[in-house]
Amino acid sequence: GAGVSQSPRYKVAKRGQDVALRCDPISGHVSLFWYQQALGQGPEFLTYFQNEAQLDKSGLPSDRFFAERPEGSVSTLKIQRTQQEDSAVYLCASSKGLAARAQYFGPGTRLLVL
Amino acid sequence: SQQGEEDPQALSIQEGENATMNCSYKTSINNLQWYRQNSGRGLVHLILIRSNEREKHSGRLRVTLDTSKKSSSLLITASRAADTASYFCATRLGSKLTFGTGTRLQVTL
Repeated sequence: GAGVSQSPRYKVAKRGQDVALRCDPISGHVSLFWYQQALGQGPEFLTYFQNEAQLDKSGLPSDRFFAERPEGSVSTLKIQRTQQEDSAVYLCASSKGLAARAQYFGPGTRLLVL
Repeated sequence: SQQGEEDPQALSIQEGENATMNCSYKTSINNLQWYRQNSGRGLVHLILIRSNEREKHSGRLRVTLDTSKKSSSLLITASRAADTASYFCATRLGSKLTFGTGTRLQVTL
């Protein structure tokens, strides 16, 4: 079956530009997560959805970051007024059930802010 | 911030040898998971060990967990060139998964 997909795979943005990153989770997966991974580091948690409810957004670095999952399936991570420090790979993951066990990751979106 | 640290940061071995990576973490956990990441396949879940388990096997992988020392180890036996990747431990508490800094494993022919 299809895994988690993300688009675009690569995004170059000028500083100050708004960007939107899309995640299509595995069909039927209740839980959806966003992570930010800087070069040479492990992924860092950004936010968690259970169906359409955003239950944890403690990892979002600033109010310029906003995520939504309005119908409990596809999710969008939006970054407003991008800064150079936002350059990273943004990973989306989904998992079955309400309690996260193994998470299935997408290929990521590599964002470069110039 | 990263929950844990992996040791070593980088490891180079020859095909057929065993590779051992260690992970230390800081807080209580529900479970600990190991993931592999390479450029070709992204981040892939390898194995999960619950906080009340001490050892778990899956194919060529063996994971141990010592909650008193807040540490875990991943052993890959009879390594292959295809095992070349970065390996991350991740601890779960509640819904949040917190990753370590990773070990870069290079397996040469």
